[in-house]
Amino acid sequence: AQSVTQPDIHITVSEGASLELRCNYSYGATPYLFWYVQSPGQGLQLLLKYFSGDTLVQGIKGFEAEFKRSQSSFNLRKPSVHWSDAAEYFCAVGPTNDYKLSFGAGTTVTVRA
Amino acid sequence: DSGVTQTPKHLITATGQRVTLRCSPRSGDLSVYWYQQSLDQGLQFLIQYYNGEERAKGNILERFSAQQFPDLHSELNLSSLELGDSALYFCASSVSGLADYEQYFGPGTRLTVT
Repeated sequence: AQSVTQPDIHITVSEGASLELRCNYSYGATPYLFWYVQSPGQGLQLLLKYFSGDTLVQGIKGFEAEFKRSQSSFNLRKPSVHWSDAAEYFCAVGPTNDYKLSFGAGTTVTVRA
Repeated sequence: DSGVTQTPKHLITATGQRVTLRCSPRSGDLSVYWYQQSLDQGLQFLIQYYNGEERAKGNILERFSAQQFPDLHSELNLSSLELGDSALYFCASSVSGLADYEQYFGPGTRLTVT
């Protein structure tokens, strides 16, 4: 069975600084990988996804993620954080032969002025 | 706005009661997923329906059941409620039932069991 680990529970970053959120997955093959964001009181919104091909994936809101097979990682990055990026971020993995997404525990991002 | 609607937004009920949560998927989406988000368990997949049929089951309790109707809306029924069932319940939809199609999440229903 697949699993996802987000090692950082909470990250605080200054507005304008760069952000990197870590995600490690466990799966026997290359899974489908996703990053979702959840703003306070809102549902989850898909930021980006990786299925195959180019390992650097561009998403919405200026986010990108890089798939590294050797490290079983799919880290999310943003070069310059805005106050509106304060939210909870979830990494998810979906096996290619199954229907269920498994989510990490989430990383809460706080943006300070 | 993802296009997925969920009603009600908030629900407060007592232990032992039964509630029904409703979800309307995005237009054209055939698959509906239900998730439970709680502080101690995180975001857990409950069940998936595709075009009216159950496709996959996750960590869904026997006290919970779901169905998808011919118009593709779905209902999640929670019975014999316990305090621990208090959580945010999300519905998501996708075009297909496979993981290669992204899921679009509704705003959730917050259930409080007192």
